[in-house]
Amino acid sequence: DTGVSQDPRHKITKRGQNVTFRCDPISEHNRLYWYRQTLGQGPEFLTYFQNEAQLEKSRLLSDRFSAERPKGSFSTLEIQRTEQGDSAMYLCASSVTPTGGGSGANVLTFGAGSRLTVL
Amino acid sequence: GESVGLHLPTLSVQEGDNSIINCAYSNSASDYFIWYKQESGKGPQFIIDIRSNMDKRQGQRVTVLLNKTVKHLSLQIAATQPGDSAVYFCAEKNGYNKLIFGAGTRLAVHP
Repeated sequence: DTGVSQDPRHKITKRGQNVTFRCDPISEHNRLYWYRQTLGQGPEFLTYFQNEAQLEKSRLLSDRFSAERPKGSFSTLEIQRTEQGDSAMYLCASSVTPTGGGSGANVLTFGAGSRLTVL
Repeated sequence: GESVGLHLPTLSVQEGDNSIINCAYSNSASDYFIWYKQESGKGPQFIIDIRSNMDKRQGQRVTVLLNKTVKHLSLQIAATQPGDSAVYFCAEKNGYNKLIFGAGTRLAVHP
């Protein structure tokens, strides 16, 4: 296992088009996260899954955004009717559920990201 | 060199010096903190983490200090090397299952 894989690495699209990004997490990780990062800023949380269940969505995730993880393995993030403001790096991360009832989060392992440019 | 908070976006240090990157977090209920390093064109890479019941944790050449009284976190890098040049992010978790990231500090290491 080589870590978290994201595809495509770069996507250039015209405003109004739909785009889809794929994330393959580390195989034994049951949690999967999507973050968005704009230039000079830290990653912003979008959504996360535990297995196939989407447990939380940020208010940043407008109705043009949809994420799925149908079999609890890979995930897709689709953006419909893209806008120039959607241009960003979309990062996927995975982790395992904390064990032992501990309150500490597990470390998120990030992929290299998918950079979206909307013209 | 020392960076006071994340309002100073760039920290420049000489190779071999120690670096200190500071972070002020917002939520006193946060129970877990983590530092990531991000190089250009790559995703964030884990450096070190600390739970709120600790005030110091050491790794290889890195130390994280946590001061809950003033809600302050710092990352110390010993004997900074050119390969340490990157943007460094602190992140906090406050009982929910996601990390909230700060804006980042760029570390520039000069020979």
